Amino acid sequence: GAGVSQTPSNKVTEKGKYVELRCDPISGHTALYWYRQSLGQGPEFLIYFQGTGAADDSGLPNDRFFAVRPEGSVSTLKIQRTERGDSAVYLCASSSGQGRSTDTQYFGPGTRLTVL
Amino acid sequence: DQQVKQNSPSLSVQEGRISILNCDYTNSMFDYFLWYKKYPAEGPTFLISISSIKDKNEDGRFTVFLNKSAKHLSLHIVPSQPGDSAVYFCAASARRAAGNKLTFGGGTRVLVKP
Repeated sequence: GAGVSQTPSNKVTEKGKYVELRCDPISGHTALYWYRQSLGQGPEFLIYFQGTGAADDSGLPNDRFFAVRPEGSVSTLKIQRTERGDSAVYLCASSSGQGRSTDTQYFGPGTRLTVL
Repeated sequence: DQQVKQNSPSLSVQEGRISILNCDYTNSMFDYFLWYKKYPAEGPTFLISISSIKDKNEDGRFTVFLNKSAKHLSLHIVPSQPGDSAVYFCAASARRAAGNKLTFGGGTRVLVKP
């Protein structure tokens, strides 16, 4: 079956611009996660959705970052007034959302964001 | 502060030999640990996991060992194959945390030489 997909695969923007990154989770998965991976580091948690609601947004670095999941499937990560430090690979993952710690997260290929 | 650390950024091993990757953690609330493998331009792929109630879990060529008292885990790959060349991430979660968000280490790049 289809895995997690993310679009675009690459995004180049200028400092100060607004960007949207899209994630299509595995069909039927109710839990969706966003992570950010900077060069040479491991992924860092940003936000987690259970269904349509953000259950944990403790990883969002500041109020320029916002994410939505209006119908409980596709999610969009929105970044306002982009800064050069926002340059990273943004990863999306989904899981069945059964709530057990053994609930495996499946990752998409990521969106590489470059802010010039 | 880094709650999950992989102190070896890279590892080179001969094909057929054992690869040993190490990971240390500081948060005593972590009770579930995972290893992910990542190829360039792809997302991390789940490899193997272990619950804190166990000290060993094996799946084919991959074995994960957990030493809770030392807050240390390791991944053994034997025998190593050229296709195992990738970046390996250790990750941890706390069962009581909402949604089981993962905390990752910085990764270890493994190169298996033929």
